[in-house]
Amino acid sequence: EIVLTQSPGTLSLSPGERATLSCRASQSVSSNYLVWYQQKPGQAPRLLIYGASSRATGIPDRFSGSGSGTDFTLTISRLEPEDFAVYYCQQYGSSLTFGQGTKVEIK
Amino acid sequence: EVQLVQSGAEVKKPGESLKISCQGSGYSFTTYWIGWVRQMPGKGLEWMGIIFPGDSDSRYSPSLQGQVTISADKSISTAYLQWSSLKASDTAMYYCARRNYGHAFDIWGQGTMVTVSS
Repeated sequence: EIVLTQSPGTLSLSPGERATLSCRASQSVSSNYLVWYQQKPGQAPRLLIYGASSRATGIPDRFSGSGSGTDFTLTISRLEPEDFAVYYCQQYGSSLTFGQGTKVEIK
Repeated sequence: EVQLVQSGAEVKKPGESLKISCQGSGYSFTTYWIGWVRQMPGKGLEWMGIIFPGDSDSRYSPSLQGQVTISADKSISTAYLQWSSLKASDTAMYYCARRNYGHAFDIWGQGTMVTVSS
């Protein structure tokens, strides 16, 4: 089973700042199968990025995904108040696994 | 509108059985896989399994295989997650979600909170 390790655990930033979230896999992951979600308290997760770099429908272009192999990154170019949330990466190889999440909090 | 609507919150005792549901609408239910994801209180997301309602082909997470059963009734566009004997450790929020774009979950249900307590 592929293990995804997200870092940092918590990111403290101010609105307007750039957020860089990392997702590292224990084995190589096909870029087609690397996904990012956002989850706010009391809500279901929301799909942000699929295929490592494709934005889902309705996702603002301040969200971008990149990476390949074992290292993937989600970047939020300028944080808006509504972006403070927990972010999860997910992969599908022989099985499907999620990272443990990165919380982006207001500094 | 494409949506998944889940059944309501449940409070059960250890050892009891339970079946929760997830009804799809606004799209062809039989042509997309439906997955189930567990979120224990204050914790992250954990994939449980997935089913293709068109033919009920299902796959399970290796860590959860045998602990739950995933099924579907395509005639009513509904997927199910079932336990035969609940444990306190099954207390969690359970989400269903539609798989799209390869292996991403693009549409999520609102979640069903299951509480198991004596």
